[in-house]
Amino acid sequence: SQQGEEDPQALSIQEGENATMNCSYKTSINNLQWYRQNSGRGLVHLILIRSNEREKHSGRLRVTLDTSKKSSSLLITASRAADTASYFCATDANQGGKLIFGQGTELSVKP
Amino acid sequence: GAGVSQSPRYKVAKRGQDVALRCDPISGHVSLFWYQQALGQGPEFLTYFQNEAQLDKSGLPSDRFFAERPEGSVSTLKIQRTQQEDSAVYLCASSLFVAKNIQYFGAGTRLSVL
Repeated sequence: SQQGEEDPQALSIQEGENATMNCSYKTSINNLQWYRQNSGRGLVHLILIRSNEREKHSGRLRVTLDTSKKSSSLLITASRAADTASYFCATDANQGGKLIFGQGTELSVKP
Repeated sequence: GAGVSQSPRYKVAKRGQDVALRCDPISGHVSLFWYQQALGQGPEFLTYFQNEAQLDKSGLPSDRFFAERPEGSVSTLKIQRTQQEDSAVYLCASSLFVAKNIQYFGAGTRLSVL
């Protein structure tokens, strides 16, 4: 069974707009990661935030983590059509490296 | 360098048939993971190896599922007597070591059981 819940399940925006995706989880974690998956492909790691961090940036990506609420958000700024993909949060509860994934947000960026 | 390679990319099996799915991890990566991804869902953990040792197989759905990594490199996921509910994409991932658990995924094997 999956631990994470993500919302929205689907998001459609115009190029240039910002996209925000949210993730909630159930147990204490070591870190939380975001992955991207293009249709028919494997997952690609985007960013990792540790449990003692509150915010992290990487290029157009900004991730926040609130361990008291057991939630995280991923913000993609100035979106591009090439950002169209499914985005998954994954928690690492320090159980030997096993990742628990959310159900994902399907992002569509229209040119 | 080469990423994680999985074969075959697609497999169609008749119900009751045995299948074997192969994963070639990134060279030197200690950890190897198998996940199952149903359509429209996130990946679900199946099993994990550190070198040749299978340290966690808690996600394997039944005793029809078996994984091995005999020399600590290539891994095979075997499903015996396949059933329709086994239809899914099977993803393999590897990571350099557990302490920095960024996982690199293959493109997956899409299994369809008819």
